[in-house]
Amino acid sequence: AQSVTQLDSQVPVFEEAPVELRCNYSSSVSVYLFWYVQYPNQGLQLLLKYLSGSTLVKGINGFEAEFNKSQTSFHLRKPSVHISDTAEYFCAVSTGGGNKLTFGTGTQLKVEL
Amino acid sequence: DTGVSQDPRHKITKRGQNVTFRCDPISEHNRLYWYRQTLGQGPEFLTYFQNEAQLEKSRLLSDRFSAERPKGSFSTLEIQRTEQGDSAMYLCASSPQAGGNYGYTFGSGTRLTVV
Repeated sequence: AQSVTQLDSQVPVFEEAPVELRCNYSSSVSVYLFWYVQYPNQGLQLLLKYLSGSTLVKGINGFEAEFNKSQTSFHLRKPSVHISDTAEYFCAVSTGGGNKLTFGTGTQLKVEL
Repeated sequence: DTGVSQDPRHKITKRGQNVTFRCDPISEHNRLYWYRQTLGQGPEFLTYFQNEAQLEKSRLLSDRFSAERPKGSFSTLEIQRTEQGDSAMYLCASSPQAGGNYGYTFGSGTRLTVV
């Protein structure tokens, strides 16, 4: 079975500063990796995904993530955050046919002026 | 394409009552998933359908829960004899096939409060 760990429950950052949200996964088989964003009282929106190929994945809203197989990590980064990036971010993994996602507990990103 | 729609957005019910939620997936998507999200947690998988067939159910889906997708289009999730522990956001998602290749499109969820 696979699992996802998001060590940081909250990350405060000032506007225009860089940010990294950490995600580690465990799985005995090849995985697909995802980052989703959730705004208050909303569903989840896909930011980016890693399926195969290049380990650096670029997503929407200026976010990117790097897949590191040896460290079983898939950290999310943005070089300069905006106040509108304040939201909850979830890392997720699926395996095989990708029939279901296993999510981490989420990281609340709070961007301050 | 109007995305994944869920109805209602909010539901408050008394303990012991039955509730039913509806999900309308993206029309060309043949896979439909239900997840539950409690406060401070990530979504947890409940069940999924391929067309009208329910292919997998989580252990979280107790006997009080039932999901259907009768014509392979919209789906309903019913909770019988609700308990306070059922209070959560219920999320529906759809994908054109195995979601691992596409990710999923999520709806805005139904927030259930059991009082």
